[in-house]
Amino acid sequence: DAGVIQSPRHEVTEMGQEVTLRCKPISGHNSLFWYRQTMMRGLELLIYFNNNVPIDDSGMPEDRFSAKMPNASFSTLKIQPSEPRDSAVYFCASSLGLASWNSPLHFGNGTRLTVT
Amino acid sequence: GENVEQHPSTLSVQEGDSAVIKCTYSDSASNYFPWYKQELGKRPQLIIDIRSNVGEKKDQRIAVTLNKTAKHFSLHITETQPEDSAVYFCAASSGNLIFGKGTKLSVKP
Repeated sequence: DAGVIQSPRHEVTEMGQEVTLRCKPISGHNSLFWYRQTMMRGLELLIYFNNNVPIDDSGMPEDRFSAKMPNASFSTLKIQPSEPRDSAVYFCASSLGLASWNSPLHFGNGTRLTVT
Repeated sequence: GENVEQHPSTLSVQEGDSAVIKCTYSDSASNYFPWYKQELGKRPQLIIDIRSNVGEKKDQRIAVTLNKTAKHFSLHITETQPEDSAVYFCAASSGNLIFGKGTKLSVKP
């Protein structure tokens, strides 16, 4: 099992550019979560999907952020236009079902985004 | 929605001492409480979890306790070792996982 795969590992971009982060969940997992990690705010849940359907996107900071899950094995998080305050580590995580004792979350290695 | 508070934000102990990290949650519907360890530059990894119908769970040197009435849960690490140094996150879930802000644990040799 390759685990949750995220790409790219690092992204450096200029303010105003579009950024797309990618995630491949563990095969067979039905739930997918996007988190943002910063020193000030810790691990913030941005959005999560269950069976490819967005369940809760109340954590998405603003309209510049969007996420899609076109199929069970792929999800994207897009920021357009990017701003310096978006700089953070973005983690994708997946679980067999909704996060529970028999369905723990497994994290990818994250994408470190720097917006200059 | 759920809100998880975690204390302390930093904790420094001598090797061999115990460390305790405490969390409170707000949503009484939460029924699953995992703890994650994150080493510098790496992803969070699950170290232990507890569900709402259990009051305590132990795995070697780590243990978790849960008080549903008071809505708080704790992580206890005994006989700490330098390799326990990391950031520890508590979380609460009623389907989606909400994390505390983390505790940076430093174990001094």
